[in-house]
Amino acid sequence: QSALTQPASVSGSPGQSITISCTGTSSDVGGYNYVSWYQQHPGKAPKLMIYDVSNRPSGVSNRFSGSKSGNTASLTISGLQADDEADYYCSSYTSSTTLVFGGGTKLTVL
Amino acid sequence: EVQLLESGGGLVQPGGSLRLSCAASGFTFSRFAMGWVRQAPGKGLEWVSVISDSGRNTYYADSMKGRFTISRDNSKNTLYLQMNSLRAEDTAVYYCGRAQGRVDPFDYWGQGTLVTVSS
Repeated sequence: QSALTQPASVSGSPGQSITISCTGTSSDVGGYNYVSWYQQHPGKAPKLMIYDVSNRPSGVSNRFSGSKSGNTASLTISGLQADDEADYYCSSYTSSTTLVFGGGTKLTVL
Repeated sequence: EVQLLESGGGLVQPGGSLRLSCAASGFTFSRFAMGWVRQAPGKGLEWVSVISDSGRNTYYADSMKGRFTISRDNSKNTLYLQMNSLRAEDTAVYYCGRAQGRVDPFDYWGQGTLVTVSS
């Protein structure tokens, strides 16, 4: 199972919005509404930010939103804050009853 | 409060074996699927394996099939990962996580345990 494709890095200024894409195939992202997004700060465990494409767990800011079109899912962060600077990973359920992660995107808040 | 605490990591020689444990607390362990995700130094996340709430169903990434075995003891609220025939490329921090669904998402994670495969 090949990793999902994410941009290596994105950046934005405080207050701006950014979008991170996550491209897979019809056997994973495109075939199921089971895309999740995780935030990981250096040296820390990942934190679930979005699940089932667009749902936010309790406690996650509504500045984080998710969507999907075809084989590509997206994470949008609005009103960028300094603490949003982290690595972001998408994941998707697959037709093989496995999970596949994206390669990760480093978000820099300028 | 949900807590997941991994243990069992360390230095092992290539070809060796190691068993990781993940002690869970703060929730009804037997009602959730559980899994392992690893992260090589400086690299991204890689899904390893998931086990169903009852333990009857297990799923593995292709590169771990036949070498890794996931199991659980619901009476002890503990998840395990038996790793055999270890290779240098298995060097990583191994995280355990609680899965909301059959395979994902992982809504709670442990702090991770480092496995280093080296001679």
